Amino acid sequence: NAGVTQTPKFRVLKTGQSMTLLCAQDMNHEYMYWYRQDPGMGLRLIHYSVGEGTTAKGEVPDGYNVSRLKKQNFLLGLESAAPSQTSVYFCASKRTGSQETQYFGPGTRLLVL
Amino acid sequence: DAKTTQPTSMDCAEGRAANLPCNHSTISGNEYVYWYRQIHSQGPQYIIHGLKNNETNEMASLIITEDRKSSTLILPHATLRDTAVYYCIVSSTSGTYKYIFGTGTRLKVLA
Repeated sequence: NAGVTQTPKFRVLKTGQSMTLLCAQDMNHEYMYWYRQDPGMGLRLIHYSVGEGTTAKGEVPDGYNVSRLKKQNFLLGLESAAPSQTSVYFCASKRTGSQETQYFGPGTRLLVL
Repeated sequence: DAKTTQPTSMDCAEGRAANLPCNHSTISGNEYVYWYRQIHSQGPQYIIHGLKNNETNEMASLIITEDRKSSTLILPHATLRDTAVYYCIVSSTSGTYKYIFGTGTRLKVLA
């Protein structure tokens, strides 16, 4: 049971390039979330999904798109990367139920030059 | 979703109890209080959560005031490995279960 995994661990992009971050969970969780964390700040919610085939915007969705074609995977896309998107990206998943908590992945460090 | 307020930083001597306060004065009746911590730049790690009763697990205790407007996380015997940023989060018990993170409290455990 690997929990929540993220790919890649680290990536450098040039301004204007595109990329996709992959989050995978093997716990059969319904809910999945993408956050970003800038230096000295708490995590901010980008997009989330309450089930396969559904996505919704969080606090800071601009410049990102997401897809949840399979229950276990949640993809975060940057169509045209900007230096302001330099950050650490965390994915989390959660089982249905009010007492359940979010499980976080190890993070992806993204540097946009 | 309710917002939380925490002190920016705290120090604690190794072996002593660490008491981390959190203010959540706008919490509503269907919102839980969660505590997570983040060591270095790893993914946040769940510690404990509660609705209105005090809670205890193998990691910590959570004391929630009767009016639910504030809470305290207690690490009973802090160790150097407890040095981390601690986040207090308020989240609904239904719907999207979104977390709104503040800037947290940076706890430094001193030898």
